[in-house]
Amino acid sequence: GDSVTQMEGPVTLSEEAFLTINCTYTATGYPSLFWYVQYPGEGLQLLLKATKADDKGSNKGFEATYRKETTSFHLEKGSVQVSDSAVYFCALKGTTSGTYKYIFGTGTRLKVLA
Amino acid sequence: GAGVSQSPSNKVTEKGKDVELRCDPISGHTALYWYRQSLGQGLEFLIYFQGNSAPDKSGLPSDRFSAERTGGSVSTLTIQRTQQEDSAVYLCASSFRGSANYGYTFGSGTRLTVV
Repeated sequence: GDSVTQMEGPVTLSEEAFLTINCTYTATGYPSLFWYVQYPGEGLQLLLKATKADDKGSNKGFEATYRKETTSFHLEKGSVQVSDSAVYFCALKGTTSGTYKYIFGTGTRLKVLA
Repeated sequence: GAGVSQSPSNKVTEKGKDVELRCDPISGHTALYWYRQSLGQGLEFLIYFQGNSAPDKSGLPSDRFSAERTGGSVSTLTIQRTQQEDSAVYLCASSFRGSANYGYTFGSGTRLTVV
């Protein structure tokens, strides 16, 4: 079945450092890919998405490019801030289990130090 | 409401007791989902409601779990005879329609601890 694999955290960076959180997926067909973010004490929020190969999703300085050849959707940010400290979840829209269910990775905790 | 509201935010219960978790979705959202987030695990799909259609219960882990959605709005997830492995954060989400191309809006979750 479809699955998502994320790099394990926690990831600890200094402010203004470059961020990469790796995400790879296994799916049949052409899934849509998403990044969600969970700030402390809050619910998950959609950060960005890409619906087809080579699409780049971007929001709040974060970017991720849908790479079908490597089945990846790595999250990047050029200069992180303390306020980016959160848990980041990679997800895909399941292609084998209907159009409505997301399949999530285990999440990667990011801690940014001032 | 402005967001998805879940209650209680925290629940500690004794093993063997029943618990009810409530979700109040965004007004106008026809689709409602329950997920479970266990420590070190990703989000596990539990159940999906879409309008008046029969719910997709394929993710419920056992017959101790059930959920209902009254009037197409508020949903209640019930866990009977709770076990320690039920301890997790239970997340509710809603979306405008069932297609996952519409992003979910999640609630803050209910942290359930079974002692």
